[in-house]
Amino acid sequence: DTGVSQDPRHKITKRGQNVTFRCDPISEHNRLYWYRQTLGQGPEFLTYFQNEAQLEKSRLLSDRFSAERPKGSFSTLEIQRTEQGDSAMYLCASSQAGPDLRFTGELFFGEGSRLTVL
Amino acid sequence: RKEVEQDPGPFNVPEGATVAFNCTYSNSASQSFFWYRQDCRKEPKLLMSVYSSGNEDGRFTAQLNRASQYISLLIRDSKLSDSATYLCVVRLASGGSYIPTFGRGTSLIVHP
Repeated sequence: DTGVSQDPRHKITKRGQNVTFRCDPISEHNRLYWYRQTLGQGPEFLTYFQNEAQLEKSRLLSDRFSAERPKGSFSTLEIQRTEQGDSAMYLCASSQAGPDLRFTGELFFGEGSRLTVL
Repeated sequence: RKEVEQDPGPFNVPEGATVAFNCTYSNSASQSFFWYRQDCRKEPKLLMSVYSSGNEDGRFTAQLNRASQYISLLIRDSKLSDSATYLCVVRLASGGSYIPTFGRGTSLIVHP
Protein backbone atom coordinates (compact mmCIF):
# COMPACT_ATOMS: atom_id res chain seq x y z
CA ASP A 1 0.00 0.00 0.00
CA THR A 2 1.57 3.29 -1.04
CA GLY A 3 -0.85 5.61 0.78
CA VAL A 4 -0.22 7.69 3.90
CA SER A 5 0.30 5.54 6.96
CA GLN A 6 0.09 6.55 10.60
CA ASP A 7 1.19 4.78 13.73
CA PRO A 8 -0.15 3.96 16.24
CA ARG A 9 -3.77 3.90 15.21
CA HIS A 10 -4.93 4.13 18.79
CA LYS A 11 -3.19 5.39 21.91
CA ILE A 12 -4.60 5.51 25.42
CA THR A 13 -2.49 7.33 27.94
CA LYS A 14 -2.73 8.90 31.35
CA ARG A 15 -2.72 12.63 31.86
CA GLY A 16 0.81 13.97 32.12
CA GLN A 17 2.43 11.32 29.93
CA ASN A 18 4.19 12.05 26.64
CA VAL A 19 3.02 10.52 23.38
CA THR A 20 4.51 10.42 19.90
CA PHE A 21 2.78 9.76 16.60
CA ARG A 22 4.47 8.87 13.35
CA CYS A 23 3.36 9.60 9.81
CA ASP A 24 4.79 8.13 6.62
CA PRO A 25 3.56 10.19 3.66
CA ILE A 26 3.27 9.14 0.05
CA SER A 27 6.89 8.87 -0.95
CA GLU A 28 7.02 11.45 -3.73
CA HIS A 29 5.04 14.07 -1.80
CA ASN A 30 7.04 17.04 -0.55
CA ARG A 31 4.39 18.55 1.73
CA LEU A 32 3.20 17.02 4.97
CA TYR A 33 0.43 18.37 7.20
CA TRP A 34 -0.76 17.56 10.69
CA TYR A 35 -4.39 18.18 11.64
CA ARG A 36 -6.41 17.42 14.74
CA GLN A 37 -10.08 16.46 14.61
CA THR A 38 -12.59 16.14 17.42
CA LEU A 39 -16.12 14.79 17.22
CA GLY A 40 -18.44 16.96 15.19
CA GLN A 41 -15.68 19.27 13.99
CA GLY A 42 -13.63 19.49 10.85
CA PRO A 43 -9.89 18.87 10.84
CA GLU A 44 -8.04 21.71 12.57
CA PHE A 45 -4.65 22.70 11.15
CA LEU A 46 -1.65 22.17 13.43
CA THR A 47 1.45 22.46 11.30
CA TYR A 48 2.97 21.69 7.93
CA PHE A 49 6.32 20.91 6.31
CA GLN A 50 7.74 21.57 2.90
CA ASN A 51 10.36 18.81 2.67
CA GLU A 52 12.16 19.01 6.03
CA ALA A 53 11.32 22.65 6.74
CA GLN A 54 8.47 23.41 9.11
CA LEU A 55 6.85 26.38 7.39
CA GLU A 56 3.82 27.11 9.48
CA LYS A 57 2.49 26.33 12.93
CA SER A 58 -0.97 27.11 14.19
CA ARG A 59 -1.04 29.63 17.00
CA LEU A 60 -3.36 27.17 18.70
CA LEU A 61 -0.44 24.78 19.00
CA SER A 62 0.93 25.07 22.49
CA ASP A 63 4.60 24.55 23.32
CA ARG A 64 3.72 21.05 24.53
CA PHE A 65 3.38 20.06 20.87
CA SER A 66 6.37 19.56 18.63
CA ALA A 67 6.69 18.13 15.17
CA GLU A 68 9.67 17.09 13.11
CA ARG A 69 10.37 15.83 9.65
CA PRO A 70 14.12 15.24 9.89
CA LYS A 71 14.91 13.94 6.43
CA GLY A 72 11.95 15.24 4.54
CA SER A 73 10.29 11.83 4.60
CA PHE A 74 8.40 10.59 7.67
CA SER A 75 7.25 12.97 10.40
CA THR A 76 6.65 12.69 14.11
CA LEU A 77 4.27 14.66 16.30
CA GLU A 78 5.03 14.64 20.01
CA ILE A 79 2.71 15.84 22.74
CA GLN A 80 4.32 16.36 26.11
CA ARG A 81 2.47 16.35 29.43
CA THR A 82 -0.78 15.32 27.82
CA GLU A 83 -4.04 16.81 29.02
CA GLN A 84 -7.57 15.49 28.65
CA GLY A 85 -8.28 18.23 26.12
CA ASP A 86 -5.67 16.67 23.84
CA SER A 87 -7.96 13.70 23.22
CA ALA A 88 -8.69 13.74 19.51
CA MET A 89 -7.93 12.12 16.19
CA TYR A 90 -4.57 13.28 14.85
CA LEU A 91 -4.57 13.23 11.08
CA CYS A 92 -1.56 13.41 8.81
CA ALA A 93 -1.87 14.38 5.17
CA SER A 94 0.58 14.75 2.33
CA SER A 95 0.47 16.54 -0.98
CA GLN A 96 2.70 17.37 -3.87
CA ALA A 97 3.39 21.03 -4.57
CA GLY A 98 3.71 21.91 -8.24
CA PRO A 99 6.92 23.23 -9.81
CA ASP A 100 5.98 26.75 -8.75
CA LEU A 101 5.19 25.45 -5.26
CA ARG A 102 1.48 25.99 -5.81
CA PHE A 103 -0.80 23.65 -3.95
CA THR A 104 -2.25 21.23 -6.44
CA GLY A 105 -5.42 20.71 -4.51
CA GLU A 106 -5.49 17.26 -3.10
CA LEU A 107 -4.53 16.29 0.39
CA PHE A 108 -4.07 12.57 0.91
CA PHE A 109 -4.90 11.66 4.48
CA GLY A 110 -3.83 8.76 6.59
CA GLU A 111 -6.37 6.92 8.70
CA GLY A 112 -5.35 8.91 11.74
CA SER A 113 -4.05 8.23 15.23
CA ARG A 114 -6.74 8.37 17.89
CA LEU A 115 -5.53 9.66 21.24
CA THR A 116 -7.45 9.16 24.46
CA VAL A 117 -6.09 10.87 27.56
CA LEU A 118 -7.50 9.53 30.82
CA ARG B 1 -16.09 34.39 13.62
CA LYS B 2 -14.69 31.17 12.20
CA GLU B 3 -12.65 31.41 9.04
CA VAL B 4 -14.71 28.77 7.23
CA GLU B 5 -18.31 28.24 8.28
CA GLN B 6 -20.74 25.49 7.43
CA ASP B 7 -24.17 24.50 8.67
CA PRO B 8 -23.50 21.18 10.47
CA GLY B 9 -26.96 19.80 9.60
CA PRO B 10 -27.82 17.00 9.53
CA PHE B 11 -29.61 17.22 6.23
CA ASN B 12 -31.97 14.28 6.13
CA VAL B 13 -33.28 13.64 2.59
CA PRO B 14 -34.95 10.78 0.70
CA GLU B 15 -33.25 8.96 -2.12
CA GLY B 16 -33.55 10.86 -5.36
CA ALA B 17 -33.74 14.28 -3.72
CA THR B 18 -31.63 17.25 -4.63
CA VAL B 19 -29.72 18.82 -1.75
CA ALA B 20 -27.46 21.85 -1.54
CA PHE B 21 -24.86 22.92 0.99
CA ASN B 22 -23.26 26.31 1.42
CA CYS B 23 -20.01 27.33 2.98
CA THR B 24 -18.83 30.86 3.76
CA TYR B 25 -15.28 32.04 4.25
CA SER B 26 -14.05 35.16 5.96
CA ASN B 27 -10.86 36.06 4.12
CA SER B 28 -11.34 37.66 0.74
CA ALA B 29 -7.72 36.84 -0.14
CA SER B 30 -8.49 33.13 -0.01
CA GLN B 31 -7.21 31.02 -2.86
CA SER B 32 -8.45 27.65 -3.99
CA PHE B 33 -11.62 26.01 -2.82
CA PHE B 34 -12.54 22.36 -2.44
CA TRP B 35 -15.15 19.97 -1.19
CA TYR B 36 -14.01 16.87 0.69
CA ARG B 37 -16.10 13.94 1.79
CA GLN B 38 -15.63 12.13 5.08
CA ASP B 39 -17.36 8.86 5.84
CA CYS B 40 -18.00 7.90 9.45
CA ARG B 41 -14.73 7.04 11.23
CA LYS B 42 -12.76 7.44 8.01
CA GLU B 43 -10.31 10.01 6.74
CA PRO B 44 -11.41 12.92 4.50
CA LYS B 45 -11.06 12.45 0.74
CA LEU B 46 -11.20 15.00 -2.03
CA LEU B 47 -14.61 15.13 -3.71
CA MET B 48 -13.99 18.00 -6.10
CA SER B 49 -12.24 21.29 -6.59
CA VAL B 50 -14.33 24.43 -7.01
CA TYR B 51 -13.56 26.69 -9.95
CA SER B 52 -14.60 30.30 -10.45
CA SER B 53 -16.79 29.40 -13.40
CA GLY B 54 -18.47 26.57 -11.51
CA ASN B 55 -17.92 22.92 -12.30
CA GLU B 56 -19.80 19.69 -12.46
CA ASP B 57 -18.85 16.08 -11.87
CA GLY B 58 -21.72 13.72 -12.56
CA ARG B 59 -24.44 14.42 -10.00
CA PHE B 60 -22.29 16.96 -8.16
CA THR B 61 -22.08 20.66 -8.99
CA ALA B 62 -19.84 23.15 -7.22
CA GLN B 63 -20.12 26.93 -7.41
CA LEU B 64 -17.96 29.78 -6.14
CA ASN B 65 -19.21 33.29 -5.41
CA ARG B 66 -16.19 35.43 -4.61
CA ALA B 67 -18.21 38.62 -4.15
CA SER B 68 -20.28 37.05 -1.38
CA GLN B 69 -17.47 34.78 -0.23
CA TYR B 70 -19.26 31.48 -0.34
CA ILE B 71 -19.07 28.19 -2.14
CA SER B 72 -21.82 25.69 -2.68
CA LEU B 73 -22.24 22.02 -3.44
CA LEU B 74 -25.34 20.64 -5.14
CA ILE B 75 -26.06 16.93 -5.17
CA ARG B 76 -28.74 15.74 -7.56
CA ASP B 77 -30.54 12.38 -7.44
CA SER B 78 -29.18 11.54 -3.98
CA LYS B 79 -28.07 7.96 -3.35
CA LEU B 80 -27.89 6.09 -0.06
CA SER B 81 -24.14 5.98 -0.59
CA ASP B 82 -23.97 9.79 -0.55
CA SER B 83 -24.55 9.70 3.22
CA ALA B 84 -21.44 11.27 4.69
CA THR B 85 -20.04 14.52 6.04
CA TYR B 86 -19.13 17.10 3.41
CA LEU B 87 -16.24 19.34 4.35
CA CYS B 88 -15.63 22.71 2.76
CA VAL B 89 -11.93 23.53 2.38
CA VAL B 90 -10.48 26.95 1.66
CA ARG B 91 -6.83 27.83 1.29
CA LEU B 92 -6.42 30.75 3.67
CA ALA B 93 -3.48 33.09 3.80
CA SER B 94 -1.40 32.60 6.93
CA GLY B 95 1.91 34.39 7.12
CA GLY B 96 3.58 33.64 3.83
CA SER B 97 1.67 30.42 3.30
CA TYR B 98 -1.76 29.35 2.23
CA ILE B 99 -3.15 26.75 4.57
CA PRO B 100 -5.94 24.34 3.60
CA THR B 101 -8.53 25.22 6.23
CA PHE B 102 -11.55 23.03 6.86
CA GLY B 103 -15.07 23.89 7.88
CA ARG B 104 -16.74 21.77 10.52
CA GLY B 105 -18.59 19.79 7.86
CA THR B 106 -22.20 19.27 6.90
CA SER B 107 -23.74 15.90 7.64
CA LEU B 108 -25.93 14.34 4.97
CA ILE B 109 -28.20 11.37 5.63
CA VAL B 110 -29.96 9.88 2.62
CA HIS B 111 -32.77 7.50 3.58
CA PRO B 112 -34.78 5.02 1.47
